[in-house]
Amino acid sequence: EVQLVESGGDLVQPGGSLRLSCAASGFIFSGYWMHWVRQVPGKGLVWVSHVDSDGSTTNYADSVKGRFTISRDNAKNTLYLQMNSLRVEDTAVYYCVRVNPVCYGRRCYYGMDVWGQGTTVTVSS
Amino acid sequence: DIQMTQSPSSLSASVGDRVTITCRASQSIARHLNWYQQKPGKAPKLLIYAASNLQRGVPSRFSGSGSETDFTLTISSLQPEDFAVYYCQQTFNTPPWTFGQGTKVDIK
Repeated sequence: EVQLVESGGDLVQPGGSLRLSCAASGFIFSGYWMHWVRQVPGKGLVWVSHVDSDGSTTNYADSVKGRFTISRDNAKNTLYLQMNSLRVEDTAVYYCVRVNPVCYGRRCYYGMDVWGQGTTVTVSS
Repeated sequence: DIQMTQSPSSLSASVGDRVTITCRASQSIARHLNWYQQKPGKAPKLLIYAASNLQRGVPSRFSGSGSETDFTLTISSLQPEDFAVYYCQQTFNTPPWTFGQGTKVDIK
């Protein structure tokens, strides 16, 4: 079964740090781009970060750039999100997401086809 | 960054109704547009990718259309299990890949 399982969410004070993990199983983890998406309860989805299949390319939302670091360990089938200098507005459910490319010739389309169950990060004093 | 605007923000419909949700991009994204469904307490589920391609296992009452800046998600005959929040997402070029603000479909 294809599965993503996040962990590491917790209550942390503003300015603190947290590392989220996402364990992948049931597919060849090293072959896929991976993303983090977050959602404040009752609000919409917000893209946070992306890493390519070998970890050489990363992208971040402006709101987390310089504070969050995405990484992966393909030998352990695990995705990470290191979150530093946390702010109250970082409070959210964080989802680990797989992107599956579908290519027609040279044109590829990317859908987020597998999602974890989410892990909750609460930043509060 | 590319901005995605969905309309309406919410709608009320009855079982059997035809439902249409629209999504507009702030610039041309060709057909790099996905639709997701999210039910309360659950992770989102991919319904449509590349504007009109049905993800495996998704019922055929769901369909997508559009290109460039204007896109539509249609549910041909609303079923009880379709009451949820729907999001569009653009995946044009490299990330950031932005989402629309969501459309809540509830029971009339």
